[in-house]
Amino acid sequence: AQSVTQLGSHVSVSEGALVLLRCNYSSSVPPYLFWYVQYPNQGLQLLLKYTSAATLVKGINGFEAEFKKSETSFHLTKPSAHMSDAAEYFCAVTPSGYSTLTFGKGTMLLVSP
Amino acid sequence: GAGVSQSPSNKVTEKGKDVELRCDPISGHTALYWYRQRLGQGLEFLIYFQGNSAPDKSGLPSDRFSAERTGESVSTLTIQRTQQEDSAVYLCASSPLAEQYFGPGTRLTVT
Repeated sequence: AQSVTQLGSHVSVSEGALVLLRCNYSSSVPPYLFWYVQYPNQGLQLLLKYTSAATLVKGINGFEAEFKKSETSFHLTKPSAHMSDAAEYFCAVTPSGYSTLTFGKGTMLLVSP
Repeated sequence: GAGVSQSPSNKVTEKGKDVELRCDPISGHTALYWYRQRLGQGLEFLIYFQGNSAPDKSGLPSDRFSAERTGESVSTLTIQRTQQEDSAVYLCASSPLAEQYFGPGTRLTVT
């Protein structure tokens, strides 16, 4: 069985500051991991994915995430926050290519000027 | 190219009525998923279709919920005798392999 824990339902940063959104997972097999972003009143958009290749994954909009097996983590980072990054972010895990995703509860990123 | 589309975008219905939600996946995607997202909460898996295999219905919350998919195309999610707790955004996603591509969702409000 898989599970995802996102620490912090809300994270507040100032524009230009580092963004760090935490995700820890549990999986009985090597996982596929994903980060999705959801802007208000929209569906989810894929930011990046880890599928057992390079452990540092670069995504859209300047985001990246690092898979750390020893820490069972897949934290999302961005060096400098923009106002347009304000949204809800979801981490998700699946044990294989053909399987349902298990989502975390989401982290709302708030960016202040 | 065209993404996943869902209709209607908004649906208001009276308690006890049946509703039908539609999802048009990306062409060629063999897998299709339905999720429910209640206000302020994460995504709750409902049902999963993969090709011609029997669907995984393990997430359906009650027998009032059902879904169908015709081949590898359109899917409909039906909720019978709607209840107020069914109010949520219903998201559909399609997938060629691992990553899922989401539609904009249908916001269902049961009054």
